[in-house]
Amino acid sequence: AQSVTQLDSQVPVFEEAPVELRCNYSSSVSVYLFWYVQYPNQGLQLLLKYLSGSTLVKGINGFEAEFNKSQTSFHLRKPSVHISDTAEYFCAVERQGAQKLVFGQGTRLTINP
Amino acid sequence: DTGVSQDPRHKITKRGQNVTFRCDPISEHNRLYWYRQTLGQGPEFLTYFQNEAQLEKSRLLSDRFSAERPKGSFSTLEIQRTEQGDSAMYLCASSLGVYEDTQYFGPGTRLTVL
Repeated sequence: AQSVTQLDSQVPVFEEAPVELRCNYSSSVSVYLFWYVQYPNQGLQLLLKYLSGSTLVKGINGFEAEFNKSQTSFHLRKPSVHISDTAEYFCAVERQGAQKLVFGQGTRLTINP
Repeated sequence: DTGVSQDPRHKITKRGQNVTFRCDPISEHNRLYWYRQTLGQGPEFLTYFQNEAQLEKSRLLSDRFSAERPKGSFSTLEIQRTEQGDSAMYLCASSLGVYEDTQYFGPGTRLTVL
């Protein structure tokens, strides 16, 4: 079975500062990796995904993530955050061919002016 | 694309009542998924359909839960004899149903059981 651990439940940062949201996963088979964002009272929006190929993945809103197979990590980064990035961020894995996502518990990103 | 839609957005019910939620996927998406999200947690997989066939159900989906997708388009999720522990956000997602699929989520239905 697959599992996902998001190492920080809350991350406060100042506006225009860089941020990294950490995600580690556990799986004995190959997986796809995803980051979703959830704004208050809304569903989940896909930020980016890693399927294969280059380990550095670029997504929407200036976010990027790096897949590290040896460390089983998929950390999300943004060089300069904006107030509008305030949201809950979820890391998820999908065993190749499984058709279901396994999510972490989420990281609440709070941007302070 | 109009995106995945869900109805209602909010539902308040009394314990013991039955509730039904509807999900309309993105048109031409063959796969449809249901997830449940409780407060402070990530979504948990409940079930998924490939066209009208329900192909997998989580152990979280007790006998009180039933999901259908009768014509391979919209889907309904019914909870019978609701319990307070059923209070959660119920999320629907859809995908094309091809290799390297991406799931697109709806806004969710928030259920409160009093």
